[in-house]
Amino acid sequence: QKEVEQNSGPLSVPEGAIASLNCTYSDRGSQSFFWYRQYSGKSPELIMSIYSNGDKEDGRFTAQLNKASQYVSLLIRDSQPSDSATYLCAVTLIAGAGSYQLTFGKGTKLSVIP
Amino acid sequence: DAGITQSPRYKITETGRQVTLMCHQTWSHSYMFWYRQDLGHGLRLIYYSAAADITDKGEVPDGYVVSRSKTENFPLTLESATRSQTSVYFCASNPEVGLEAFFGQGTRLTVV
Repeated sequence: QKEVEQNSGPLSVPEGAIASLNCTYSDRGSQSFFWYRQYSGKSPELIMSIYSNGDKEDGRFTAQLNKASQYVSLLIRDSQPSDSATYLCAVTLIAGAGSYQLTFGKGTKLSVIP
Repeated sequence: DAGITQSPRYKITETGRQVTLMCHQTWSHSYMFWYRQDLGHGLRLIYYSAAADITDKGEVPDGYVVSRSKTENFPLTLESATRSQTSVYFCASNPEVGLEAFFGQGTRLTVV
């Protein structure tokens, strides 16, 4: 069973601080990595995608990938109350012709305190 | 409207009844997925499809049936609903392997 692990939280940070969300995955062959944000009662929406080792920045969000450590993280700078949501880590594994798994972690609930 | 839509948004059904959840996408994406989301379990893959007439099991397929006769539609059928199938169901699609998936609005199913 391919696993994606996240701390469930809740993670509380003050407004304006940096929120750091972490994710580990079990299958070394995993190839694509995503962070989704999910507000309560809503569907997941893509925040960041990352495919190679290193950092990828988009506005206040930075995704970091370390394939050797099987670790992917999301940093949110200048956190805002509107960032309060559950953040889902997702990992793609291509196992063979037509065999493709997109597996999600259970999510980390983030609360940004005004 | 372009995108991925699910219907119905809410459904209450009785134990033992058959129920079908619909998913329709207008992007002509090759891949489509069905997930269920439960407290404490996160999103779990039920079935996915790589193209019309090609489907494969995910993590929790028991009690569910899918079909994909057309690229744009991917219905999920619960053949005989059980209370354990009470959940929020999400359909998703993506254009090719390895890219991000886009989600529908979800269907909240309650089995009584």
